[in-house]
Amino acid sequence: QKEVEQDPGPLSVPEGAIVSLNCTYSNSAFQYFMWYRQYSRKGPELLMYTYSSGNKEDGRFTAQVDKSSKYISLFIRDSQPSDSATYLCAMSGNNDMRFGAGTRLTVKP
Amino acid sequence: DVKVTQSSRYLVKRTGEKVFLECVQDMDHENMFWYRQDPGLGLRLIYFSYDVKMKEKGDIPEGYSVSREKKERFSLILESASTNQTSMYLCASSFWTSGTYGTQYFGPGTRLTVL
Repeated sequence: QKEVEQDPGPLSVPEGAIVSLNCTYSNSAFQYFMWYRQYSRKGPELLMYTYSSGNKEDGRFTAQVDKSSKYISLFIRDSQPSDSATYLCAMSGNNDMRFGAGTRLTVKP
Repeated sequence: DVKVTQSSRYLVKRTGEKVFLECVQDMDHENMFWYRQDPGLGLRLIYFSYDVKMKEKGDIPEGYSVSREKKERFSLILESASTNQTSMYLCASSFWTSGTYGTQYFGPGTRLTVL
């Protein structure tokens, strides 16, 4: 079992749709949970991070962490073509850090 | 804003050459990291450093070495480049936070091609 599982997609949605991106993980020591957005041929850009369980909202983006299920999500409301990118989940804790392989998202006008 | 810069965006080298990739961060972060990113394999940690002159091997250190002489600068060295080292190389930095690597900030990446 991989330490972090993330569906690679690709995921294609129409503009304005709600997008749900998810990761599962196996290491219960993870405490920090992050989402990165990576445009083609660019470095990952930190989008959101949360500590432990709970929700965090920033504009059209909401990050959710359920530590009991070892499951994290990123929701994008009112998706825009500019949201088209690869989204990476990441988590760290107990001297370890892991990344998901990334989900490729395309938002069509 | 945190800024992580990498010395080159694109690099083409020949097999057997010694290659230097340099990374500089301006946020006084303790931790610095080198990753490579390949399609289908995601991000894989090569080396990280938690302080000047300190380094730890990551998941795939073979064929690579690193140097950190100053806090803001972390170099990745390919002693003798091989074609299987063709990849996107990403540098990142972070504060050490509550026993974790904290949130990492990435540079723009260097796309290295070894012919």
